[in-house]
Amino acid sequence: DAGVIQSPRHEVTEMGQEVTLRCKPISGHDYLFWYRQTMMRGLELLIYFNNNVPIDDSGMPEDRFSAKMPNASFSTLKIQPSEPRDSAVYFCASSRNRGYEQYFGPGTRLTVT
Amino acid sequence: ELKVEQNPLFLSMQEGKNYTIYCNYSTTSDRLYWYRQDPGKSLESLFVLLSNGAVKQEGRLMASLDTKARLSTLHITAAVHDLSATYFCAVDGGNQFYFGTGTSLTVIP
Repeated sequence: DAGVIQSPRHEVTEMGQEVTLRCKPISGHDYLFWYRQTMMRGLELLIYFNNNVPIDDSGMPEDRFSAKMPNASFSTLKIQPSEPRDSAVYFCASSRNRGYEQYFGPGTRLTVT
Repeated sequence: ELKVEQNPLFLSMQEGKNYTIYCNYSTTSDRLYWYRQDPGKSLESLFVLLSNGAVKQEGRLMASLDTKARLSTLHITAAVHDLSATYFCAVDGGNQFYFGTGTSLTVIP
C-alpha cells in the first residue's frame, strides 16, 4: 500500500487566496483525520470523519476552514480566505477503526504571505 | 477539554543510558498512543495501549498505561543515536484526540 497520500507537499500563497489541501487515505480505513502542526500550538486535531461522515469538527479554527470527504478515498481541507496565521504543516491521517493506530501522510507545508 | 502533559519537554541523554518519558492526561481514557516524529518528517506510530496495565515493547522502547493514575510512560533502555526524535503521546478523549506537547530526545554519542 502507498500509505496516506497528501497533495500538494508545499504550498505558498498570498493572504486572501483560497487554498485546498488533498488527502487520499489508506484503502479500507474507515477513519480520516486532519491535523495542523505549529511550533506555538503543537499538533491539533481539526476534524475527523468516520465512513465519510464528519464526526467532530470542534477543532476547526473558524468558518474560513471547511473539510469534505465525498467518498472513501478522497478528502479535502479548504481555507478561504487564507491568512498568514494559517501557515503550518497540515497532516492527514487514517485508521482502520477507533483503537487502532493512525497512519499519517507526509504533510502539506502551507505558507501564507 | 482534555489536557495531555508530557515531561520532560527536552531530553538529552548519553548513549547506553536509560530514561523514562511521562505522559499525564486529565480525564478518563483507556486508549493511549505513542508516536515518533523525526525532524521535518511525519509521525510514525509506535504503540497502541488499550487497557489498564497494558505494556508493549519494541526494541529499546517500552510503553505502559495506568488508566487509574491517568499516566503512561515510555521507557528507553540503553539509548542509541537512532532514537533521537520527538515523541508524542496522544489520548482518545471520546470525540476528540489530544496530543501531548512532545518530548524532544537527543541521544549523544
